[in-house]
Amino acid sequence: AQSVTQLDSQVPVFEEAPVELRCNYSSSVSVYLFWYVQYPNQGLQLLLKYLSGSTLVKGINGFEAEFNKSQTSFHLRKPSVHISDTAEYFCAVSFGGYQKVTFGTGTKLQVIP
Amino acid sequence: DSGVTQTPKHLITATGQRVTLRCSPRSGDLSVYWYQQSLDQGLQFLIQYYNGEERAKGNILERFSAQQFPDLHSELNLSSLELGDSALYFCASSPRDRNNSPLHFGNGTRLTVT
Repeated sequence: AQSVTQLDSQVPVFEEAPVELRCNYSSSVSVYLFWYVQYPNQGLQLLLKYLSGSTLVKGINGFEAEFNKSQTSFHLRKPSVHISDTAEYFCAVSFGGYQKVTFGTGTKLQVIP
Repeated sequence: DSGVTQTPKHLITATGQRVTLRCSPRSGDLSVYWYQQSLDQGLQFLIQYYNGEERAKGNILERFSAQQFPDLHSELNLSSLELGDSALYFCASSPRDRNNSPLHFGNGTRLTVT
């Protein structure tokens, strides 16, 4: 079965501390991987994507993610968070040949001053 | 600004009624997707259109329908509304229907059914 799992619904972290938001997926077909961010009262916007090539992907706002095929994971990291990073983060996986994106349940990142 | 426009931003209506949500995709994008976001269900894929044709269907109720017009804008019709249909409805677009195209989201329509 194809699925996306974000185990952490909420992650509190102090300002300037590092953070990792976890994403795991299950698939029997090839996948493309994405992280989106949703700020309050806004739509989702793309943070970064993994399509092929280097497994370490850099995105906007200093975020990066690493694709680990053996562990079927795509964790999002930032070495030092800011208050402005407070938002909800969604991992998304596209399964198969045509566009069929499945989103995880989201992780709310709360940055504490 | 993603370039995807959704109207209206807010909609309050009563149970049993019918509403239409509208989406204008980013210039040049041929694919339109509809998602429902609620607290208990998360972000659920409803339906996708590509250049006027239905491409994929997700967890869309029979009371809901959608279409994409020749000018590529799309409408999501929700009928016989129930309290549980209250949610944020997002439209997203992408240039093609291939799964390596990131989605560009509008700011959503917040539907409240009373």
